This record gives sequence, structure tokens and C-alpha cells, in this order.
Amino acid sequence: SQKIEQNSEALNIQEGKTATLTCNYTNYSPAYLQWYRQDPGRGPVFLLLIRENEKEKRKERLKVTFDTTLKQSLFHITASQPADSATYLCALRRTGRRALTFGSGTRLQVQP
Amino acid sequence: GAGVSQSPSNKVTEKGKDVELRCDPISGHTALYWYRQSLGQGLEFLIYFQGNSAPDKSGLPSDRFSAERTGGSVSTLTIQRTQQEDSAVYLCASSLDSGRSYNEQFFGPGTRLTVL
Repeated sequence: SQKIEQNSEALNIQEGKTATLTCNYTNYSPAYLQWYRQDPGRGPVFLLLIRENEKEKRKERLKVTFDTTLKQSLFHITASQPADSATYLCALRRTGRRALTFGSGTRLQVQP
Repeated sequence: GAGVSQSPSNKVTEKGKDVELRCDPISGHTALYWYRQSLGQGLEFLIYFQGNSAPDKSGLPSDRFSAERTGGSVSTLTIQRTQQEDSAVYLCASSLDSGRSYNEQFFGPGTRLTVL
């Protein structure tokens, strides 16, 4: 069956450090992968999309990598700030469907 | 313009009652999605509408769940004979989906449903 796995344990890091979050998937052949941020009590907010033919994508302090051989995406936040504290979700389009399947998310806590 | 809006923001109901949840997508967005999120869990896909095409209902957990999208805009998700396991946050999202399947989704704030 198709699975998307994100580390369910919260990631605690010190302000200024780089946060790295992992998204692993099985039984998908995704054309692209998306990352979203979700704050408590709110809906997810789109951050970045990376296509299968792209190895890396950057946006300001964010960087996403996509390894279709390893079936893994890494999401990096450099120079992290307490305001980056949130849950980060990765999402793939379900095979044969247009809807996205989301991982369960990893909670990031940046300590000042 | 305004983002995706959902109403009510909170709904408390008794087991066995029917509930209706409403979603107003961003104007001009042809695609509309419903998800639900249980406490501490990821988003679970429920149903997807795209223009005038037949909806993708593959995520609906039981026949107690149904959804409509009138006039290609507003959508209502109906849960009949609610059960306690239906308690969750129900999220609606819309996107442009102009034939390119990778458009980002814009989410509403969700409706928190509690079934007593």
C-alpha cells in the first residue's frame, strides 16, 4: 500500500541552527512533492513544491531536496527562528488521483 | 480576495444527529477538496470536486458521509447519524487546478466537530 512517513517525534532545535525534516514514501511514483506548514488551530499553508526532475528547490531560508531513488524528501530551514515553530507536512498526489495524500507531519520547536 | 472560509468554526452535536459543514472556496478556483484531521494525525482525504466532473469520493469513510458542490462554488459536507469517531477537524481546500495537477491547495481554517 502507499505510505508517507514523517517522524512523529517533535524536533527541538536551538534558534539559529538548521532544522532538517524527513519525508519518506513507499509505493508512489510521484511527479512532484509538496511541503506545507500548519499552525495549531489553522489549516495547512503551502510552502514549496518540488518536481521529480528537480533535485533541490530553495525559497528564502527554506530548502527542499527530492531523491526519487531513495524515495525521500528533506526539508531544511536555515537560521531557524522561534516563529518557525509549527508542524510541517509533506504531501504527494495519490496515484491515479488528483487529491493529495499528506504525511502525519513533524512538529518543529525552535528554542530561543 | 478572501481566502477559503468554513462554517461553523466549531460544532458540538449528539451521537446520531446529522450535521452539515460548509465551505466557501476562493473565487475562481475550480477544484475543491475535503479532508479531516483527527487529533495529532495527518490529513485524511475525503472527497474532491473538479469543475463539472464527477467527484472523486474514494476517501469517504462510510455512506453516512456525502458532499455536494452547488454551482461550482460553495460545498457542503453532510454527516448523517454522527458517531463519536467522526469527531475531528474537517478541512476544506481549493485550488486552481487548470489541468495542471500540481497547483498548491489553499486551506480554510477548518470546522472542529465534536460528537458527544
